[in-house]
Amino acid sequence: DGGITQSPKYLFRKEGQNVTLSCEQNLNHDAMYWYRQDPGQGLRLIYYSQIVNDFQKGDIAEGYSVSREKKESFPLTVTSAQKNPTAFYLCASSIGSRGLFQPQHFGDGTRLSIL
Amino acid sequence: AQKITQTQPGMFVQEKEAVTLDCTYDTSDQSYGLFWYKQPSSGEMIFLIYQGSYDEQNATEGRYSLNFQKARKSANLVISASQLGDSAMYFCAMITAGNQFYFGTGTSLTVIP
Repeated sequence: DGGITQSPKYLFRKEGQNVTLSCEQNLNHDAMYWYRQDPGQGLRLIYYSQIVNDFQKGDIAEGYSVSREKKESFPLTVTSAQKNPTAFYLCASSIGSRGLFQPQHFGDGTRLSIL
Repeated sequence: AQKITQTQPGMFVQEKEAVTLDCTYDTSDQSYGLFWYKQPSSGEMIFLIYQGSYDEQNATEGRYSLNFQKARKSANLVISASQLGDSAMYFCAMITAGNQFYFGTGTSLTVIP
């Protein structure tokens, strides 16, 4: 089955520690996205990538970093510079500019907490 | 500027009744798409329905229909015959030229037995 896999489902971070959230897709999608969701809130865009080896900052990129070395993978690193990282993180992908107005498909999310 | 507005933070509906979740959007593009997603308490985002700006008929998918009023820039989701499993957050979203996505702040729907 094609889909988006996020791992781990739950993640705990110590103060001053960097952590990396994994996102893999086998949908052959060009575009990938990372969102942050705080309790009871909507989605806020952290970073997105339209093609391999290229990515752009979203609305709340400070304290986060990404890479897009492979089409299938778009890992997100939450750095120690992100002072309030506790949140639910969702990864999404879409066909991108190859297809006109296709929906984003989402992974099941990673819940990050500070110890 | 906010592109998607959902004015109902929370809604309640009796089981088996219909409910309408409001969504208005703002874009100067002539060509765009509108989506609705469902997010249960488990967190995953489930794609429900899509409406293209040039589609003349309102989209329907099972018990979901999208009431698209282009002149009013509204794209309301109608859920017919509500079920307990419909209790969730619902997000309206828009895609515009350049593959830019915009999400609303969501509406929490509670179905009452």
